[in-house]
Amino acid sequence: EPEVTQTPSHQVTQMGQEVILRCVPISNHLYFYWYRQILGQKVEFLVSFYNNEISEKSEIFDDQFSVERPDGSNFTLKIRSTKLEDSAMYFCASSEGISYNQPQHFGDGTRLSIL
Amino acid sequence: AQSVTQLDSQVPVFEEAPVELRCNYSSSVSVYLFWYVQYPNQGLQLLLKYLSGSTLVESINGFEAEFNKSQTSFHLRKPSVHISDTAEYFCAVIKAAGNKLTFGGGTRVLVKP
Repeated sequence: EPEVTQTPSHQVTQMGQEVILRCVPISNHLYFYWYRQILGQKVEFLVSFYNNEISEKSEIFDDQFSVERPDGSNFTLKIRSTKLEDSAMYFCASSEGISYNQPQHFGDGTRLSIL
Repeated sequence: AQSVTQLDSQVPVFEEAPVELRCNYSSSVSVYLFWYVQYPNQGLQLLLKYLSGSTLVESINGFEAEFNKSQTSFHLRKPSVHISDTAEYFCAVIKAAGNKLTFGGGTRVLVKP
């Protein structure tokens, strides 16, 4: 069965550094998402992306964050200047269509640790 | 805005015993409901979903969930659990025509032999 793959599985970065989290969505999917889960807290929506632009973003997704689909396969989340509170598990997801009918498929996540 | 509450953060249960995971939601608009499961060191996998029709939905591995609109609940049940059901279970909602999942806090199920 096709999978969403995320790399790396664990990223350790110094505070203030830029970090890029990478995702390869399922190949025929058109909608892409990032979620995060801070340790001990709920999984939170960050952003959705369709047709090469952001379709929705949460209040968490401020100017420090950006997303990009640089080629036909990758979907990236960039954090420009990381803060301690950015430490979390980041999940990428994709769906074939609009999500209430086409479920979101998740990757295994990237654990981001900010020192 | 939508919100989801999972009342139990952890549920220990013996193998072959039944389990129920509670989920309540709040929304001012119509929503669709999902249960996702996360096995250790893996991502979230869709377990089952309620979109419309019969209020009782079933998964292929014996779980079922019942949508109760009056009680705004979507509790997950399994009559007899296996060791392999040890995982964290997340209830989630999405508003009609939306594409953003709102998750509950998760319930960790530990199945003991």
